[in-house]
This record gives sequence, C-alpha cells and structure tokens, in this order.
Amino acid sequence: QSALTQPASVSGSPGQSITISCTGTSSDVGGFKYVSWYQQQPGKAPKLIIHAVTDRPSGVSNRFSGSKSGNTASLTISGLRAEDEADYYCCSYSSRSTLYVFGSGTKVTVL
Amino acid sequence: EVQLVESGGGLVQPGGSLRLSCAASGFTFRSYNMNWVRQAPGKGLEWLSYIGSSTRTIHYSDSVKGRFTISRDNVQNTLFLQMNSLRAEDTAIYYCARDSITGSECFDSWGQGTLVTVSS
Repeated sequence: QSALTQPASVSGSPGQSITISCTGTSSDVGGFKYVSWYQQQPGKAPKLIIHAVTDRPSGVSNRFSGSKSGNTASLTISGLRAEDEADYYCCSYSSRSTLYVFGSGTKVTVL
Repeated sequence: EVQLVESGGGLVQPGGSLRLSCAASGFTFRSYNMNWVRQAPGKGLEWLSYIGSSTRTIHYSDSVKGRFTISRDNVQNTLFLQMNSLRAEDTAIYYCARDSITGSECFDSWGQGTLVTVSS
C-alpha cells in the first residue's frame, strides 16, 4: 500500500508557524478516528509527538498541535525553533493489506 | 522507564538469514502488542509486522510476508524477527515498536534500531 502523502519539505524562519499535511484515503486517515505524528532527529529513533489526532504526550512542547478533517491530517509547529529541524511522519491504521501506514515524511528546515 | 533494545543486525549476503531480537524492560511486556518497523537508508518508515500480546494474532506487510516471521517470548520479555531469503532491498534500520494500548496512536515507544545490510 502506498504511503500517506506528505510534502517532502517545509521550511520557515524562527518564530514562524508551519503546517505539514498528511493526506490519505477513507481506508486509512479518513476511516479511523486517530492519527499520530512522529518526529525523527538525524540518527535517532522516531519520537511520538501527537497522538489521538490532537493530544501531546507528556513532555512534548505545546508548540506542536494536530488536527484532522476528512482524509487529511495536519501538524502545526508554532514559534519555530532551530531544534525543530527534523523529519516528521504521520501514521494511521489501515483497513487494507497493511495494518499501519506511515506518511512519506516531511523534512522541516529552520531558515 | 520503557526500554526497547534491538540486536542481531549485521551484514548478510543476498538469500541469507538473520534473526533480530528486541529486549523489553520497564513495562509488562506480556500485556502489549508489538511491531517491527524498518527504515531504508535515506527513506521513510515502513511497518513490517505485528504480533498480539498472546501471539494469537499476527500480521505482515506484503513486502515481507512469507519471508519474515515474528515471534515473542513473554517469559524472557523479548520480541523476535526471523528474516529469511534476504534481498538487497531489505537493507534498513529495523526498529521494534510497542503498540498503543489505548489505540490513540500507532506506536508509543520505539527502540534505537539495529542495522541490517544485505550485500555480497
């Protein structure tokens, strides 16, 4: 099954807000209640930053927020900081042959 | 603190086999469903396999079905992935990932990964 569609890269200046989209279908993003988001720093394992579409695990900055509408989920990073430079992946359950499906990944660059 | 530590990666020739392990600690392993996820060099994340807490339910992605076998030892708190008929395209970092117990996220904890390189 194809990955969920994310922009390959998004950039912004410090202090700005950026939004990363994650587009799927009714068989994944649109068909299930929850989407989660992961941040992956270079050479590190992914880290959960958003679960249940909008919730942040303990310790994750409130500059990260999530939303979902139909087949598209979004991650917004406000007050962009240099430390936010990383790859970001969305993840959803799937009713197709794969149990879980990830987004294609978005590289965030802080200018 | 939840800890997942993978091991068993390395260099293997095409057509060869490798067995990965993931040692779990800091939580009640037998109560959680577990997964394997991989990431090819410079590429995105790919879910590979799921095993239920009691091992009754197992799922595989089409890319590894018939070649890889997931298993677990709830006494030794260890997850395994037996990989056979390895191909160059299986070269990747392999992560074990704990399934969400609430269902509100795909995976709530990850190991640090182990690198598998398939090359002659």
